Amino acid sequence: LAKTTQPISMDSYEGQEVNITCSHNNIATNDYITWYQQFPSQGPRFIIQGYKTKVTNEVASLFIPADRKSSTLSLPRVSLSDTAVYYCLVGDPRNYGQNFVFGPGTRLSVLP
Amino acid sequence: DAGVTQSPTHLIKTRGQHVTLRCSPISGHKSVSWYQQVLGQGPQFIFQYYEKEERGRGNFPDRFSARQFPNYSSELNVNALLLGDSALYLCASSLAHSGAYGYTFGSGTRLTVV
Repeated sequence: LAKTTQPISMDSYEGQEVNITCSHNNIATNDYITWYQQFPSQGPRFIIQGYKTKVTNEVASLFIPADRKSSTLSLPRVSLSDTAVYYCLVGDPRNYGQNFVFGPGTRLSVLP
Repeated sequence: DAGVTQSPTHLIKTRGQHVTLRCSPISGHKSVSWYQQVLGQGPQFIFQYYEKEERGRGNFPDRFSARQFPNYSSELNVNALLLGDSALYLCASSLAHSGAYGYTFGSGTRLTVV
């Protein structure tokens, strides 16, 4: 299982762009990178998933360098409502769920 | 369209009792996974069921069991409850057996063991 390392916490201000980097040095050839967001007392919410280069959707972008040993979740112009825990997961999407391991995540605090 | 629904939302049990938690996946989703989340930690994988068969089991004792019904809903059972079982129990569903398209989580059941 690929293990991930993320910063435990980050602070930002409203309107800023936030970049959260995840290290996954042992990522395997078939592994994808998936990010989830979790608010208190709610289940995690899928944000974005990618394999290489750049993926963008309506809420975030995911940047993955060529060696795939790290990835960066980019949240443009954050607001107070983006205060949450963000999890980076790595795993082969063809495999079953036990291959997607949640670490402690990054606690993002957006300040006014 | 309803999301993943879990019941009950909150539950208080006494040590030694057993508990049954229920989950209804998104319509059309055939895979259900269960996670335990202790305060301050990330969710920990307990089970995955796909097409009514157990497809994966995390590092949890045999006191934990689950099953999936023909309508793809699922139950998680925990016997001989311990104080350490107090946690948020999350259910996640997905279209396929894998997380290729991302899991959709419910809001969880908050279990308190006293």
